[in-house]
Amino acid sequence: KAGVTQTPRYLIKTRGQQVTLSCSPISGHRSVSWYQQTPGQGLQFLFEYFSETQRNKGNFPGRFSGRQFSNSRSEMNVSTLELGDSALYLCASSIQATRDEKLFFGSGTQLSVL
Amino acid sequence: GQQLNQSPQSMFIQEGEDVSMNCTSSSIFNTWLWYKQDPGEGPVLLIALYKAGELTSNGRLTAQFGTTRKDSFLNISASIPSDVGIYFCAGIFGNEKLTFGTGTRLTIIP
Repeated sequence: KAGVTQTPRYLIKTRGQQVTLSCSPISGHRSVSWYQQTPGQGLQFLFEYFSETQRNKGNFPGRFSGRQFSNSRSEMNVSTLELGDSALYLCASSIQATRDEKLFFGSGTQLSVL
Repeated sequence: GQQLNQSPQSMFIQEGEDVSMNCTSSSIFNTWLWYKQDPGEGPVLLIALYKAGELTSNGRLTAQFGTTRKDSFLNISASIPSDVGIYFCAGIFGNEKLTFGTGTRLTIIP
């Protein structure tokens, strides 16, 4: 069974640009969550999608958005990039909709904003 | 919001040594989890704890759910090179999302 797949693995962008990250969950998993990981802040929750609906949202500005498709694949978009957006963005999938601690993480997309 | 403080932030040990790390919260949790992140990879779930006082093992790893429900502990016995990585605690309360600790980076000195 394939794991959570995130693409691309690495991205380099400049300030002001926008970026789209992709996540394919484990087959059969309907919940997809996104996290931002930085050395100073650890893992910060961005948002969670279930059945194409955003169910939870963390404390990030509106420049961070996401969506989920009918096949459970998810995309995350960051507009007007800032230097502080440089981070590892992790996607995690799970079977259940809520309170499912069995999150399976992808390897992440390392975003560098210059 | 709830915060999780992990300590120590980093550890440098020799192969074969035992390791202890802990996680404390300002609020109670219903579930405590421990994840490990290898370099260049996403975190992987090691142990899940569901009851105050619970002690659970996974091979050389043992974790405990603190009796106050505000803390948890992870021990690794007889460390080996593949134990290198970042260990995260995480907690859940009610229907809220996972809250992660800041991580403990484990390095094994040859």
